[in-house]
Amino acid sequence: TQLLEQSPQFLSIQEGENLTVYCNSSSVFSSLQWYRQEPGEGPVLLVTVVTGGEVKKLKRLTFQFGDARKDSSLHITAAQPGDTGLYLCAGASGTYKYIFGTGTRLKVLA
Amino acid sequence: GAGVSQTPSNKVTEKGKYVELRCDPISGHTALYWYRQSLGQGPEFLIYFQGTGAADDSGLPNDRFFAVRPEGSVSTLKIQRTERGYSAVYLCASSLKQGANTGELFFGEGSRLTVL
Repeated sequence: TQLLEQSPQFLSIQEGENLTVYCNSSSVFSSLQWYRQEPGEGPVLLVTVVTGGEVKKLKRLTFQFGDARKDSSLHITAAQPGDTGLYLCAGASGTYKYIFGTGTRLKVLA
Repeated sequence: GAGVSQTPSNKVTEKGKYVELRCDPISGHTALYWYRQSLGQGPEFLIYFQGTGAADDSGLPNDRFFAVRPEGSVSTLKIQRTERGYSAVYLCASSLKQGANTGELFFGEGSRLTVL
């Protein structure tokens, strides 16, 4: 069974602070996605990384895929209250199956 | 509609009852997924459809869970003899890309099932 463990599980920080969320597995994934979910809504895609070692930036968010394609990280610079939400990584198994991580609940205080 | 539509948004039922949850994917999306999400957790894969056929139903917990997609569009998740442990948000997602591992999943808002 493929598992994606995220850490930390919960994170509460002040506005303006930096943070990193980790997504780890013992399995290799062909690609990895990060989603953000707000209460009462479905997850929304932030980014897809495909190549080992790949780094993608989306404004204040930086995503990295591990060289061995088993792990990933999400770094947020100068967090804002609007960044509050549940962050989920999802690994692609084969050509269609997406396995979601355990989730990191982020709260940014103004 | 423009997005994935799920009905009902909330369903409260009694233990042992039968429940149907409906998903209307984005028009033209041939791939459809059902996930189950418990509070504060990541979505758990249940079943994947490519067109009308269930390509992978390995995530269904037991034979009380069944899903259909008879015309390759709308899908229904059917749960028989519900248990309290089945209480969760059931998410549906659709995707345009076939046979690719980088397709974006578009999720509905989910159906919250509460079994009393």
